[in-house]
Amino acid sequence: AQSVTQLGSHVSVSEGALVLLRCNYSSSVPPYLFWYVQYPNQGLQLLLKYTTGATLVKGINGFEAEFKKSETSFHLTKPSAHMSDAAEYFCAVSDRNNNDMRFGAGTRLTVKP
Amino acid sequence: DAGVIQSPRHEVTEMGQEVTLRCKPISGHNSLFWYRQTMMRGLELLIYFNNNVPIDDSGMPEDRFSAKMPNASFSTLKIQPSEPRDSAVYFCASSLNPSPLHFGNGTRLTVT
Repeated sequence: AQSVTQLGSHVSVSEGALVLLRCNYSSSVPPYLFWYVQYPNQGLQLLLKYTTGATLVKGINGFEAEFKKSETSFHLTKPSAHMSDAAEYFCAVSDRNNNDMRFGAGTRLTVKP
Repeated sequence: DAGVIQSPRHEVTEMGQEVTLRCKPISGHNSLFWYRQTMMRGLELLIYFNNNVPIDDSGMPEDRFSAKMPNASFSTLKIQPSEPRDSAVYFCASSLNPSPLHFGNGTRLTVT
């Protein structure tokens, strides 16, 4: 079965600073990888996904993630944090049929003015 | 596209009562997932359906939990009898394989 580990349950950055949220995955088959964002009292929204092809994936709101097979990682980055980026972020992995998506524990991002 | 619709948004009930959570997936989607979210355990996959058929219910915590999908446009998650430790936010999500999941806004369940 697939699984993901998110390093750091809380990350705090200053507005304008680099955002780096870490995710490592475990999968016995080539994985599909995702980052979702959750704002208070809402469901999860897709930020970006990796399926095949280019390993650097760009998503919404200026976020991007790079699939590194050798490191089994899929870290999420954004060059410059905005106050509106404050939310909880979830990394997820599924098999290629998207039948069994597993989420990490989540990382809460705080952006300081 | 109205998205995934869950009802009710909030449910408060007493221990021992039956609770039914409802989900309407996005039209045309062929997979449906039920998740539970708590502070302690994060997001847990409870069960998922493909083409209305339950594929994996290994995440259902106990026999008190059951889920059905009688047709492509409706699913229920039932807890009978409910217990305080069932208090959580329950999310329904749907997808058209192999596209990503689309989540509803969740049902916040409080069992007193």
